[in-house]
Amino acid sequence: GENVEQHPSTLSVQEGDSAVIKCTYSDSASNYFPWYKQELGKGPQLIIDIRSNVGEKKDQRIAVTLNKTAKHFSLHITETQPEDSAVYFCAASPGANNLFFGTGTRLTVIP
Amino acid sequence: DGGITQSPKYLFRKEGQNVTLSCEQNLNHDAMYWYRQDPGQGLRLIYYSQIVNDFQKGDIAEGYSVSREKKESFPLTVTSAQKNPTAFYLCASSIDPPFRGSTNEKLFFGSGTQLSVL
Repeated sequence: GENVEQHPSTLSVQEGDSAVIKCTYSDSASNYFPWYKQELGKGPQLIIDIRSNVGEKKDQRIAVTLNKTAKHFSLHITETQPEDSAVYFCAASPGANNLFFGTGTRLTVIP
Repeated sequence: DGGITQSPKYLFRKEGQNVTLSCEQNLNHDAMYWYRQDPGQGLRLIYYSQIVNDFQKGDIAEGYSVSREKKESFPLTVTSAQKNPTAFYLCASSIDPPFRGSTNEKLFFGSGTQLSVL
């Protein structure tokens, strides 16, 4: 099955700096790559996703890049704010009845 | 407000006891899911349902059971056969059936239930 690895497990940045979280996947059949943000005591919430026919997608301060050849994708958050502090999960789906999640990155934005 | 409601927020299970976690959605979504979240690990799929009266096992279904008698409800029972039940359980739903590359497969999650063993 698919194996998704996520790094780093924790990340601290100064407010206003950029944050980058990286994920790799193993199954070349994976074609859907969402990113979820989980705030304390809440369920994850989709913040951005990308499909394998696209190399990059942006939504305001958030962007995701995908390198199919290298089987990795990354989340980029620019101009970080304290409310960006949360746990972020990447995921990959080979379209075969499952969505495989990474182990999460705890992002702390220091005011 | 539309959304997914999980209850209770905290649940304690005694040895040999079955417990049921509730999940209700008013989003009119066809597909519903149960995930288990352990510290330092990603979410793992327990069961999913594409439509009423239908459900399939996920990666870690052993020791769990579900039912889907109504579109809006997808309860999860943690049976005594599940030897390590302590975890955070998340219910989710989506417009379209899962994992088929649909543009409407975005998952909407509830706030979770923390299950602990006494």
